[in-house]
Amino acid sequence: ELKVEQNPLFLSMQEGKNYTIYCNYSTTSDRLYWYRQDPGKSLESLFVLLSNGAVKQEGRLMASLDTKARLSTLHITAAVHDLSATYFCAVRALNTDKLIFGTGTRLQVFP
Amino acid sequence: DVKVTQSSRYLVKRTGEKVFLECVQDMDHENMFWYRQDPGLGLRLIYFSYDVKMKEKGDIPEGYSVSREKKERFSLILESASTNQTSMYLCASSFWGSGDTEAFFGQGTRLTVV
Repeated sequence: ELKVEQNPLFLSMQEGKNYTIYCNYSTTSDRLYWYRQDPGKSLESLFVLLSNGAVKQEGRLMASLDTKARLSTLHITAAVHDLSATYFCAVRALNTDKLIFGTGTRLQVFP
Repeated sequence: DVKVTQSSRYLVKRTGEKVFLECVQDMDHENMFWYRQDPGLGLRLIYFSYDVKMKEKGDIPEGYSVSREKKERFSLILESASTNQTSMYLCASSFWGSGDTEAFFGQGTRLTVV
């Protein structure tokens, strides 16, 4: 059974600092997603990672995937307040299209 | 623009009532999902459907059922609502198969069972 773990659950960081969110999953998968959720809003897709070593970047966010370690990271560079949100990773179960989500990381960026 | 529409943003129901949550998507997606979101628990999959009349249980199907009679519509049914089903419910849809197709989410229904 596919399990997805994210850490940390909560991250409070100062503007301008760097940090990384980790996403581990328990069984082989071929697709991993990162989503963002603002308070009171729905989820917005950030990245889709399909293969080992895949790296995608958008602004101050960079996501990478290591399928051998079953690990994805979301790296935040020089954080700004606008990045405050909850970030989820989601993993597609192999041989189905079921999407299993992690617990989410609530990111708060302060001045 | 992909659109996933959930019928209600807020819903208050009494314990024991039968509750229907409706979700419609306009992108001809094969897959549709129902999740519930609770603080500290993330999104947990209740049911998944990959075609009309086809469904698979997710991680927490107890107390819920689903219906998919048409491709664009996926309904979540609480047969007899209980207070522990108070939660935010999110519907999503996606294309089936390979490629980088992500799931698109509706705005959510906040259900309170009293």
